[in-house]
Amino acid sequence: AQSVTQPDIHITVSEGASLELRCNYSYGATPYLFWYVQSPGQGLQLLLKYFSGDTLVQGIKGFEAEFKRSQSSFNLRKPSVHWSDAAEYFCAVGLYSGGGADGLTFGKGTHLIIQP
Amino acid sequence: NAGVTQTPKFQVLKTGQSMTLQCAQDMNHNSMYWYRQDPGMGLRLIYYSASEGTTDKGEVPNGYNVSRLNKREFSLRLESAAPSQTSVYFCASSDRTDNQPQHFGDGTRLSIL
Repeated sequence: AQSVTQPDIHITVSEGASLELRCNYSYGATPYLFWYVQSPGQGLQLLLKYFSGDTLVQGIKGFEAEFKRSQSSFNLRKPSVHWSDAAEYFCAVGLYSGGGADGLTFGKGTHLIIQP
Repeated sequence: NAGVTQTPKFQVLKTGQSMTLQCAQDMNHNSMYWYRQDPGMGLRLIYYSASEGTTDKGEVPNGYNVSRLNKREFSLRLESAAPSQTSVYFCASSDRTDNQPQHFGDGTRLSIL
């Protein structure tokens, strides 16, 4: 069965500093990978996705992520964080069969705190 | 421009009561999903419906039933609610045939006393 590990439960970053959120996955084949963001009391918003092709993917709000097959990682990065980036971030892997999605497996999330 | 709509947004139940959570999407998506979110656990898949007329168990199906009423609607039923089912429930949908990512509703916050 596939699994996703987000090693950092909480991360605190100063506003304007760079950010990297770690994600490692376990899956027998090339995975479909996602990063979602959740603000308090809200649903999940897709930041970016990787299906195939270029291993560096760009997303919304200035985020990017890099797929590294050799390290089974899909880390999320942002060069300069803003106070509005404070939220919960989830990495997820998609189990696709027959060309379709049978649901996502999520990591437990990383809570991002932005210091002024 | 509604996307995925869940009702109700909040609910308090007593142990043993039954309840149905409703979900509807207006994006003409084939696949729909129900997840639960618990503190420190991320989201876990309860059931999914790959297409109209089919449903399958996810990681944590016990205590739940689902109905794919039509292409738009996918409901989740708790027949006899238990305190362990206190959670935030999210419905999601995706266009399975195009490998599109899932779009999520805003959640239903359910407390069982």
